[in-house]
Order: sequence, then C-alpha cells, then structure tokens
Amino acid sequence: KNEVEQSPQNLTAQEGEFITINCSYSVGISALHWLQQHPGGGIVSLFMLSSGKKKHGRLIATINIQEKHSSLHITASHPRDSAVYICAPRGAGSYQLTFGKGTKLSVIP
Amino acid sequence: DTEVTQTPKHLVMGMTNKKSLKCEQHMGHRAMYWYKQKAKKPPELMFVYSYEKLSINESVPSRFSPECPNSSLLNLHLHALQPEDSALYLCASSQDDSGGRGEQFFGPGTRLTVL
Repeated sequence: KNEVEQSPQNLTAQEGEFITINCSYSVGISALHWLQQHPGGGIVSLFMLSSGKKKHGRLIATINIQEKHSSLHITASHPRDSAVYICAPRGAGSYQLTFGKGTKLSVIP
Repeated sequence: DTEVTQTPKHLVMGMTNKKSLKCEQHMGHRAMYWYKQKAKKPPELMFVYSYEKLSINESVPSRFSPECPNSSLLNLHLHALQPEDSALYLCASSQDDSGGRGEQFFGPGTRLTVL
C-alpha cells in the first residue's frame, strides 16, 4: 500500500508570494497526478508526470522518482489559486490513484 | 474537446427512488471511472470501465449499478440508497493503451443528497 504524505496541510499566503507544496510517497510508481479542487467543486487535473519537471503558466511540478518526492510550485500566487491541492501517485499498470489528504491553500489579497 | 461532463449537477432523492447519474466524454478515452467523495475527504474509487467492460469494482454495494453503453458514456444507476450515500460523485476518464493508463480528467461532479 502506498503511503502518501502532503505538506503543509494548510497554507495561507499573501498575493504574489511563491508557493511550494510537497508530496512524499512510499512505494514506486509509474506516474503522479497533481489535482486542484475548489470548495464544493469538481477536480481539475493540473499535471501528470513521471519524471523531471512540467510547467503550465504559473504552475510548476517536479518529481524525483528515486527520492519518491514531488513538489508543486505556484509563482506570483493569486486569490483565485485558493483551493485544495491533491497529490495522487499511481502504481505501474494500475488504474488506481492513491490520494493524499490535500493541502488547503488560501491566498489573501 | 478535453471535457468530461456530468448530469445532473445536483440530485435530491428519497430512499425508495431510482435515479441515474450520467457522464460523457468525447476525448476518445477508453477508461472511465466513478468516484465517491465525502466532505473534506479524498475521492474513493468505486468502479473502472476499460473498453466498455467493468474492470474494477471496489466492493461497492449493489444499490449502485454502473453501466457503460458505449465508449463515450458512463452511467451510475441508483436504487434504495441510504442517507450515508450522500456525497459528491465524480466521473473521470483516461486513455488506456499500451502507453499506459494515462492522465485522468475529471468531471464537475454530481452532488447527491439522499433523504
């Protein structure tokens, strides 16, 4: 069973700050998802990555497979970034995602 | 089209009612998923369909009955639900080929309340 730890659980930032959310997992994986969920809303897939780094707009995701660790960075944070961010690794050949407990981000104007 | 759509957005039903949730995607994905999410909890996988065949059933009670009529459509039939089944029901889809299971794209969910 893959144990997934996200940190921090809660994060409050001022608008414009650089944000980092960390994710560690215990078992080897084939890929890792970063997901975003606004209160009461559906889930948006931000990234799926299996190695290295991906960038989309102000969002950057990195993964180190050997260290079983991934990070999500948000540059120039904005109040609309306020949401829960969820790390979800997936085992090789598996449909199953193991969801972290999420990081609740609040960006204050 | 990179969207997964779900209808209805909200559903209130009694314990004796029969209702259905619908999910649709036109991305050519061959794997489709149902998840259940309770408040402040991560999603829980219920079912996976691969190439219109049920691939995973996570020991879900029979009052939930999935159906995949074609590669674009996924239904969840509900009957004799309990109040504790009230939750957000999320659908997702992904490619499913020799390249792997692919990135999962989620729909906006159906907020279900069972009275």
